[in-house]
Amino acid sequence: NAGVMQNPRHLVRRRGQEARLRCSPMKGHSHVYWYRQLPEEGLKFMVYLQKENIIDESGMPKERFSAEFPKEGPSILRIQQVVRGDSAAYFCASSPGTGVADTQYFGPGTRLTVL
Amino acid sequence: AQSVTQLGSHVSVSEGALVLLRCNYSSSVPPYLFWYVQYPNQGLQLLLKYTSAATLVKGINGFEAEFKKSETSFHLTKPSAHMSDAAEYFCAVNQEYGNKLVFGAGTILRVKS
Repeated sequence: NAGVMQNPRHLVRRRGQEARLRCSPMKGHSHVYWYRQLPEEGLKFMVYLQKENIIDESGMPKERFSAEFPKEGPSILRIQQVVRGDSAAYFCASSPGTGVADTQYFGPGTRLTVL
Repeated sequence: AQSVTQLGSHVSVSEGALVLLRCNYSSSVPPYLFWYVQYPNQGLQLLLKYTSAATLVKGINGFEAEFKKSETSFHLTKPSAHMSDAAEYFCAVNQEYGNKLVFGAGTILRVKS
């Protein structure tokens, strides 16, 4: 049973470019979460999605960031006009249900470097 | 709002010694608590979770944690450290209303031979 998959694993962008991060949840999971890990910090929640719906985006920056989880295909985290402060590791997690005790299974992360 | 505090950003133990990683939480409702481990350049792997059943929770790789409501703590322990335990450990609490995890800042465990 494949785990959560993320690609690319490493992404380098210049300031002003767009970054697209992809996440395929575990088989049978319809809930996806995105977290960001800045250097020397813990993970911070960004957004929680179910298929075709954004459930909670309280951790998303108001500008330049967006996320989607279409009916078909992976979840996408999109960062427009990247800045150096966006350099971080972005982790996706998935869970099978809506229970607050449901385990979230994490992918290997995408490490974004903005030059 | 819920929060997690991990005391000690770095902990160093000798191989074979007791591992104790501290986690205190703040929550106005009974919490669900988790410990995750992160190896370099990898994602997070669940070690164990507390979901209001037994207060002593056993996890993978010989780790366990005890939920103490009176102390608002959920410390992670392992009787005998192994070199392969060297990693970063994160304590997390599930948000009161919703599914997002609130993480502590992490503790890097170093195991000396």
